[in-house]
Order: sequence, then C-alpha cells, then structure tokens
Amino acid sequence: GAVVSQHPSWVICKSGTSVKIECRSLDFQATTMFWYRQFPKQSLMLMATSNEGSKATYEQGVEKDKFLINHASLTLSTLTVTSAHPEDSSFYICSAPKNMNTEAFFGQGTRLTVV
Amino acid sequence: SQKIEQNSEALNIQEGKTATLTCNYTNYSPAYLQWYRQDPGRGPVFLLLIRENEKEKRKERLKVTFDTTLKQSLFHITASQPADSATYLCALDETGTASKLTFGTGTRLQVTL
Repeated sequence: GAVVSQHPSWVICKSGTSVKIECRSLDFQATTMFWYRQFPKQSLMLMATSNEGSKATYEQGVEKDKFLINHASLTLSTLTVTSAHPEDSSFYICSAPKNMNTEAFFGQGTRLTVV
Repeated sequence: SQKIEQNSEALNIQEGKTATLTCNYTNYSPAYLQWYRQDPGRGPVFLLLIRENEKEKRKERLKVTFDTTLKQSLFHITASQPADSATYLCALDETGTASKLTFGTGTRLQVTL
C-alpha cells in the first residue's frame, strides 16, 4: 500500500506559540491531502482539504487563520497551528488518496499537547 | 440531521468466534462505504471498501455487507484473534473519490483468549 508519513508524532508546546505538522506522501504524488482532528473517544473530524498550488478549503467552524495549511509540492502538506491554546490539544491526522475511487492512506498522526 | 452510528459500547468476544460490527447512517447517500482499523495513538488503516451497488465484499477473514435500503453496513471478522483487538471505524464517501470521508465514532473490539 501507499505510505503517508506525518511528523512529528507528538509535540508539546507552550500556550501562544505556533506548531507546524508535516504530512508527506512517500511513494506517490498527492494533489489533494486532508487534515483531520480527533479528540479522545471521538471520531475523526475533517478540518480542511489541502490543494497543491492553491488555497485550502476549510470545513465549517474551522478558523483558517488559526490553522494555516500549505501544500507547496505534490508530496508535502503542512498544517500550522498558530497561537496554540490548551483547547487545541488533540490528535491531528492527515490523509491522501493515491488514486481516485480508492481508499485513503493516513499518516500515523500527531499528538499535540498545549500547556 | 446526518448521523453515522456505530456500537458505542466495546465488543468483547472470545478468540475463534466471529465478531460483527454495525454501522448505521442517516441522511447520507454514500457512493462508497469504507472500514478502517485504528490502534491507540495511530492513524486509521484501510481494511475494505464497498460500493453502493455491491452487497458484499470479502478479504481473507473479513467480510463487509452494505444495505442501502436499510442504510446499514455490517463488518464481520471470522476466526477472531487477540491481534484483531482495535477500534474499527466506518467511513462514508459520498463523492466516490476517496476524498472527504465522514467517520463514525468507532467500535472498540476486544478479543480475549
């Protein structure tokens, strides 16, 4: 299967600082990637769609100025949580479909803890 | 409103038995329905995909059924093993492009010896 790598696996940051999470497709090109957030014992919730070479599309209720997404190449999308607060602490997961009409491949996730 | 419901309670079964997990949905018209496995602290791993015009799909010990009239999918693991213990998520894909997936909350399966 295809491989999607996420980095870092976990990060602890101070309130008010920014954190960048990287999502890479290692063996295929992804014009589109997706960012999800998962709170404990809850489902994955789609935050935004990352589009290579254009602006990301955000789901309702997700602040685009707080969660900055950059998809500068066909293999890399980054999510930056700006001015992080404790309520942003969550598990962030990216995914990318290798082809249309097939399954999505997920990164291993990033556990963000804001203290 | 739209809902995807999976057994919220953990499912405990004995090794060797068949585990059956349920996914019911309301006010969706999925082109595809997918099942994923998620281990603690990890991202989901794809297991099976079934299309709206398919009734059943099998892969090794796994079987998925899809009833668009009942708006329900059943996920079966036969001859279950302790290594099958995990949370299983169903996901709806309304566009059929593996793009925006809407996930259920998952069912935690515990297989004991």
